[in-house]
Amino acid sequence: AQSVTQLGSHVSVSEGALVLLRCNYSSSVPPYLFWYVQYPNQGLQLLLKYTTGATLVKGINGFEAEFKKSETSFHLTKPSAHMSDAAEYFCAVISDTGRRALTFGSGTRLQVQP
Amino acid sequence: EPEVTQTPSHQVTQMGQEVILRCVPISNHLYFYWYRQILGQKVEFLVSFYNNEISEKSEIFDDQFSVERPDGSNFTLKIRSTKLEDSAMYFCASSGGLAGQETQYFGPGTRLLVL
Repeated sequence: AQSVTQLGSHVSVSEGALVLLRCNYSSSVPPYLFWYVQYPNQGLQLLLKYTTGATLVKGINGFEAEFKKSETSFHLTKPSAHMSDAAEYFCAVISDTGRRALTFGSGTRLQVQP
Repeated sequence: EPEVTQTPSHQVTQMGQEVILRCVPISNHLYFYWYRQILGQKVEFLVSFYNNEISEKSEIFDDQFSVERPDGSNFTLKIRSTKLEDSAMYFCASSGGLAGQETQYFGPGTRLLVL
C-alpha cells in the first residue's frame, strides 16, 4: 500500500529564509507526486506535480520540488519565504496507474515570522 | 478562473439524520471526487465518479454513503444516517482528462458537525 510521510507537522521560518518541507513516500511503482497548499478557509490548491520527465519541478509562487527516486522523496523548497506563504502544505501520491485516489500526508503548517 | 464550489460551507446535524453535501465541479471536467478530513487527521479519499457511476471507492465509503450527479452541473454526497464520527471537512474535487495524473481541483469544503 502506498503511504506518504511528512516530517514536521509545524515548520517556522523567518521571512526571507529558505523553506524546506519534507515528504517521503512508499510505493512499489513509479509514483505521481503532488504538493497542495491550503490557506485558511480555502480549499486545496495545487502547487506543483511530478508525473514523468524532469525530476525538478517548478510550481506556483516560487516553489519547486525534486523527485529523488533513490531516496523516495519529494521535498518542497522555496529560496526565500514570504509572509503570504503561511499556510498548510500537503504532499500527496498516486502510485497505482490504474487508480486516481490521492493518498495524502498529514500536512505541514508553515509559519513565517517577520 | 473556473473553480469548484461547495454548499453549504457549514452544516450542523443531529446523529441519525440524513445530510446532502453539494458540489458544482468545473464545467468541462469528467471525473469527480469526494475526500474528507477529520479534525487533526489526514485528508482521506472517499470516492471517485465518472460517466455516471462510481469508478473507485475507499473502505470508508460504506452503504451509508452515496453519490449522485442529478443534473449536468451538480455532484452530491449523501450520508444516509449520520454518526458522530462523520464530523469532518468534506472536500469535493474534479479533474478534466482521462489520464490518472490529471490535476484534481478542490473546492473550499463543507464542514459537517454531527451532534
